[in-house]
Amino acid sequence: ETGVTQSPTHLIKTRGQQVTLRCSSQSGHNTVSWYQQALGQGPQFIFQYYREEENGRGNFPPRFSGLQFPNYSSELNVNALELDDSALYLCASSKDSNSYEQYFGPGTRLTVT
Amino acid sequence: DQQVKQNSPSLSVQEGRISILNCDYTNSMFDYFLWYKKYPAEGPTFLISISSIKDKNEDGRFTVFLNKSAKHLSLHIVPSQPGDSAVYFCAASDGNQFYFGTGTSLTVIP
Repeated sequence: ETGVTQSPTHLIKTRGQQVTLRCSSQSGHNTVSWYQQALGQGPQFIFQYYREEENGRGNFPPRFSGLQFPNYSSELNVNALELDDSALYLCASSKDSNSYEQYFGPGTRLTVT
Repeated sequence: DQQVKQNSPSLSVQEGRISILNCDYTNSMFDYFLWYKKYPAEGPTFLISISSIKDKNEDGRFTVFLNKSAKHLSLHIVPSQPGDSAVYFCAASDGNQFYFGTGTSLTVIP
């Protein structure tokens, strides 16, 4: 059983640029959630995708957007990057949208300069 | 506003002794609580959970206690082992999303 994978591992971008982060969910999981973890903080919920539709969103502006594909992999897109977007971005997959157990990937470390 | 709080950023415990990690929450609508463990360069790993209808759940060396009236959650690890050294996050769900605390870094001293 393949776990949750994320790419890239690290990324450096300049303020104002756009970035796309990728996540492959665990086999058999149809739900993916994205989290932002700033330094010294806990993960903060960005949004969840269930069967290719957004299924809940946290307190993040519209420049954070996502996609889920038919194979349930997912992308997180962030436009107009700001310095405060520097963080570890985690994705987590679960069997369905009602499941409490989430399986996290190792994260993508984004640095905005 | 932080709805889930872990007020102890770090904790050191001797091997074999009990580790107690604490978590407080403010939202009475939370119906499920979880603990995650995180090693450096890895994503959080699910450890143990508890529904709001229970006050205790045990899994081997790990026990989670829930005190709804105090809005307080704790994780007990007995006996503590050096491999338990990690950052522990508590999380709570309101049915729509998960809210995480800021984590407690546990060091188990051999």
